[in-house]
Amino acid sequence: NAGVTQTPKFRILKIGQSMTLQCTQDMNHNYMYWYRQDPGMGLKLIYYSVGAGITDKGEVPNGYNVSRSTTEDFPLRLELAAPSQTSVYFCASSYSTWREVIDTQYFGPGTRLTVL
Amino acid sequence: RKEVEQDPGPFNVPEGATVAFNCTYSNSASQSFFWYRQDCRKEPKLLMSVYSSGNEDGRFTAQLNRASQYISLLIRDSKLSDSATYLCVVNVPNQGGKLIFGQGTELSVKP
Repeated sequence: NAGVTQTPKFRILKIGQSMTLQCTQDMNHNYMYWYRQDPGMGLKLIYYSVGAGITDKGEVPNGYNVSRSTTEDFPLRLELAAPSQTSVYFCASSYSTWREVIDTQYFGPGTRLTVL
Repeated sequence: RKEVEQDPGPFNVPEGATVAFNCTYSNSASQSFFWYRQDCRKEPKLLMSVYSSGNEDGRFTAQLNRASQYISLLIRDSKLSDSATYLCVVNVPNQGGKLIFGQGTELSVKP
């Protein structure tokens, strides 16, 4: 199993550009998540999905969009990049019911994004 | 009160030392608890789950005190390779797989 994979590893964007961060998992997990981590700070949840076709906002969703058309893929879209979106973005997946965590979250290696 | 609060750190200890990290959580209905490790500029990785009866994995021991809403991680015989940030993680009750990550406690083990 490859686990959770993310592309690209690094990206530099100009203000106002758009891009999609890709995330794929091969563990048949139902839940998937996008976090951002600013330097010296904790993880902040951007969006999450409980299954194909279902997404929900996290703590910091503004400026981002997601979709979940398959169990495996959960891309994150930045429409109009701003310097405040400079961060490391982590995708994660897990297997859970609504009541409890069955298996904890596993993370991808991250995408380091700089917006200039 | 923060949902998950950890010792601020950093902890600077010599090799071979024993070090303990503490964590408190605010929601008494939380049922799942974990310690993650994050190396500099890398993704967080699960270190161990925390069970009600306490559990041990080699040099690492995790304890849970539900009455005080408190979790701890004890590292014995510290190695240089233990240097990392340790994240206390707690589930959000009745919200499936949503987890709350603490800010992390940085550990630096010196020769």
